[in-house]
Amino acid sequence: GAVVSQHPSRVICKSGTSVKIECRSLDFQATTMFWYRQFPKQSLMLMATSNEGSKATYEQGVEKDKFLINHASLTLSTLTVTSAHPEDSSFYICSAGVDTQYFGPGTRLTVL
Amino acid sequence: ELKVEQNPLFLSMQEGKNYTIYCNYSTTSDRLYWYRQDPGKSLESLFVLLSNGAVKQEGRLMASLDTKARLSTLHITAAVHDLSATYFCAVDVPNSGYALNFGKGTSLLVTP
Repeated sequence: GAVVSQHPSRVICKSGTSVKIECRSLDFQATTMFWYRQFPKQSLMLMATSNEGSKATYEQGVEKDKFLINHASLTLSTLTVTSAHPEDSSFYICSAGVDTQYFGPGTRLTVL
Repeated sequence: ELKVEQNPLFLSMQEGKNYTIYCNYSTTSDRLYWYRQDPGKSLESLFVLLSNGAVKQEGRLMASLDTKARLSTLHITAAVHDLSATYFCAVDVPNSGYALNFGKGTSLLVTP
């Protein structure tokens, strides 16, 4: 199947700093990618849709100024968590694909 | 509001036994997905069910879809310890491309 990568896999940062997470489709082009967040022992919640060449669309309750999404090419979407706080600590997962979604390996963010 | 409900949420079963996980969803969807997640890992695609009456099998797992009843089942046959994981069903978010709405997941533990 198709491969989606994420970087970094883990990041620990201090409160107030910004963190950038990359999501890449390695063997296919993706005009759309999706970002999900998963808190411990919970399900995945869709945060936003990343659209190549245009603005991302955010789900209700997700702050677009806090979670900046850039989809600069057909194989790369980035999620920047700005001014991170401990409550932003979570597992962030991206996905891409047609007919079936392929999920990246996830990024575990810990904000101290 | 699109709802996806799984039951049971927790399942402990002995090796060799059979069991079924149920997934109900609230709005019309012709596609349903099953994923597996191991602790600390991302999602692994198990099945994509594309039409009413679809049945797919892989090893000890078999999934089916009844779009009229808005019900999918994941049947486990002769469980083995390696099947211990969390299983999620998901449906397409309407008019979103290929974003997914997930159930809460079923945490499966297979014991000797």
